[in-house]
Amino acid sequence: DSGVTQTPKHLITATGQRVTLRCSPRSGDLSVYWYQQSLDQGLQFLIQYYNGEERAKGNILERFSAQQFPDLHSELNLSSLELGDSALYFCASSPGDRNTEAFFGQGTRLTVV
Amino acid sequence: AQSVTQLGSHVSVSEGALVLLRCNYSSSVPPYLFWYVQYPNQGLQLLLKYTSAATLVKGINGFEAEFKKSETSFHLTKPSAHMSDAAEYFCAVSVVTGNQFYFGTGTSLTVIP
Repeated sequence: DSGVTQTPKHLITATGQRVTLRCSPRSGDLSVYWYQQSLDQGLQFLIQYYNGEERAKGNILERFSAQQFPDLHSELNLSSLELGDSALYFCASSPGDRNTEAFFGQGTRLTVV
Repeated sequence: AQSVTQLGSHVSVSEGALVLLRCNYSSSVPPYLFWYVQYPNQGLQLLLKYTSAATLVKGINGFEAEFKKSETSFHLTKPSAHMSDAAEYFCAVSVVTGNQFYFGTGTSLTVIP
């Protein structure tokens, strides 16, 4: 158990809909990272938050957004969903704002139908 | 920019045989290097990491990796494969000034009884 909690574990939704994925980092970790894992793209970095502020942005679509709350949990919002958004979404956390080590959650499997 | 290349998307070894998973990296600054393992329907678990200390790094489950700057490699080895080692293995690179991991495309390890 990495100490990173993601909910829900599975999500099935229709095209055009909006969903929210939730992540609770390990106790004491200030950084949260979101990754998307798909068969054709592999593991892609989406975005990082550190202590409530956006710190780095990767290949995140404009339809996607994230935030980190004062209690340090984070949410990834995916809107206007397309079939191609079906993937495993991972959250990871680390103590500082640099990626010297990251602990991953179990992921949320999103299926868009 | 940083990148990782994992040679061989699928590797099969016999139980008890040597495991060798290859990873080459590209980085314009000194890298941090990681190996993660992903079991089916699980998140990523850190096997080991190199962060500029000893070049031979020992990890969990009997795995180790050696950082070779001249070859820009960080290959993962285990002397004797066990059935429980069957999983997907990911090499990743980050840098001390950076905020994200760059993952390889993964190597699926099959252990043959």
